[in-house]
Amino acid sequence: GAVVSQHPSRVICKSGTSVKIECRSLDFQATTMFWYRQFPKQSLMLMATSNEGSKATYEQGVEKDKFLINHASLTLSTLTVTSAHPEDSSFYICSARVLRDTDTEAFFGQGTRLTVV
Amino acid sequence: GEDVEQSLFLSVREGDSSVINCTYTDSSSTYLYWYKQEPGAGLQLLTYIFSNMDMKQDQRLTVLLNKKDKHLSLRIADTQTGDSAIYFCAESINSGYALNFGKGTSLLVTP
Repeated sequence: GAVVSQHPSRVICKSGTSVKIECRSLDFQATTMFWYRQFPKQSLMLMATSNEGSKATYEQGVEKDKFLINHASLTLSTLTVTSAHPEDSSFYICSARVLRDTDTEAFFGQGTRLTVV
Repeated sequence: GEDVEQSLFLSVREGDSSVINCTYTDSSSTYLYWYKQEPGAGLQLLTYIFSNMDMKQDQRLTVLLNKKDKHLSLRIADTQTGDSAIYFCAESINSGYALNFGKGTSLLVTP
C-alpha cells in the first residue's frame, strides 16, 4: 500500500521555539494532505487541509499563524508549530488520500509526539 | 462536523470474537473506515467499506454496514493479545475530504 512518512517521530522543544514536522508521500503524489491533532485518550481532530501549491484551509479554532502549513511539492507537506507553548504538546498526524480506480484509501504517517517544556 | 460515536472500552478473552460498534449521523457518508492505533503509534488502516456495500470480509476481520441505521461494526475473529489497541471508526463523504473520526474503542484482550 501507499506509504506516508512523517518526521520526526518525537520532538521535545523549549517553550517559545518553533518546530517543523514533515510529511512525505513516498510512492505516490498527494495533491492534498491533512493534518490532525490528537490529545491523550481523544480522537483525531482535523486541523487543516494542505493543498499543493496553494494556501492551506484551516478548521475553525485553529490559528493559521501558529500552525504554518506549507505544501510546496506533490510529495511533501510541512507543519511548523511556531512559538510553541506547553499547551501545544500533542500527537500530530498527517494523512494523504489515494484514489485508486473507484477506491480511495487514506494513509497516515506514524505521527509526531511533540512535547513543549 | 457530523458525529461518529463508539463505545469507549471493550474487553474480551483471547480466542473469542470481538465486535466493535460505531454509529454515524451523516447520511451522505460514502466511505467508512476502521483504523487501529497501538500505544504511541500512528494509525494503521485495517479495512474500509463503501456505503453501497453491506459486508466486507478480510481474513479475521468482518465489517458490517447497516446504512439505514447508520451503524457500522468491526468483528475480529479469534482475537489475540496483539489485537489490544484503540480502534477508530471514521467516515467521509468524498474521496477528497478529510476523515471524521470517532473517539476510539479501547480493546483489551486478556489471556
